[in-house]
Amino acid sequence: AQTVTQSQPEMSVQEAETVTLSCTYDTSESNYYLFWYKQPPSRQMILVIRQEAYKQQNATENRFSVNFQKAAKSFSLKISDSQLGDTAMYFCAFMNYGGATNKLIFGTGTLLAVQP
Amino acid sequence: NAGVTQTPKFQVLKTGQSMTLQCAQDMNHEYMSWYRQDPGMGLRLIHYSVGAGITDQGEVPNGYNVSRSTTEDFPLRLLSAAPSQTSVYFCASSRRGVLGNEQFFGPGTRLTVL
Repeated sequence: AQTVTQSQPEMSVQEAETVTLSCTYDTSESNYYLFWYKQPPSRQMILVIRQEAYKQQNATENRFSVNFQKAAKSFSLKISDSQLGDTAMYFCAFMNYGGATNKLIFGTGTLLAVQP
Repeated sequence: NAGVTQTPKFQVLKTGQSMTLQCAQDMNHEYMSWYRQDPGMGLRLIHYSVGAGITDQGEVPNGYNVSRSTTEDFPLRLLSAAPSQTSVYFCASSRRGVLGNEQFFGPGTRLTVL
């Protein structure tokens, strides 16, 4: 069974600084998707960025980028130029590629606080 | 498009009461699912459906029932609520298979069972 591990329960960063959130996963599959979701105090789950395992290039979305290390089964999220609105819980998630179902397996989350 | 809607947003139940959490989507998505979120445990899959008339169990199905009579709706039923079911519940939907690599979440329902 696949598992997702986020070893940092809480992190803090100063506004305008860069922060990296860690995620590791375990799977025997070769093709899959990885995601970072953001959950602000409003509770809404928002997709931040996604990575397809068969693509070697790291995904980027504006200030958000990932460091995808397939052999190490590591998928970290880097937030550049942190803003107060980035304060949220961040979840790393895994999905098998091409299966009949689209089950997401989540990590336990990292609570990020951006300090002014 | 309203996306994924959930009702109610908040609910308090007494132990043993029953209720239904409603979920609807207007994106014609085949895949729908229910998750529960508990502190320190992330989101865990309760039940899912790959289309109307088809449902299956996820990681934590005990105490919950689902049905999928239409593409749009996927209600979650608690037949006899227990304090262990106090949680935040999210419904999500997506296209099925490789097209469904982005799931859309509802706003969540916070349920307290006394």
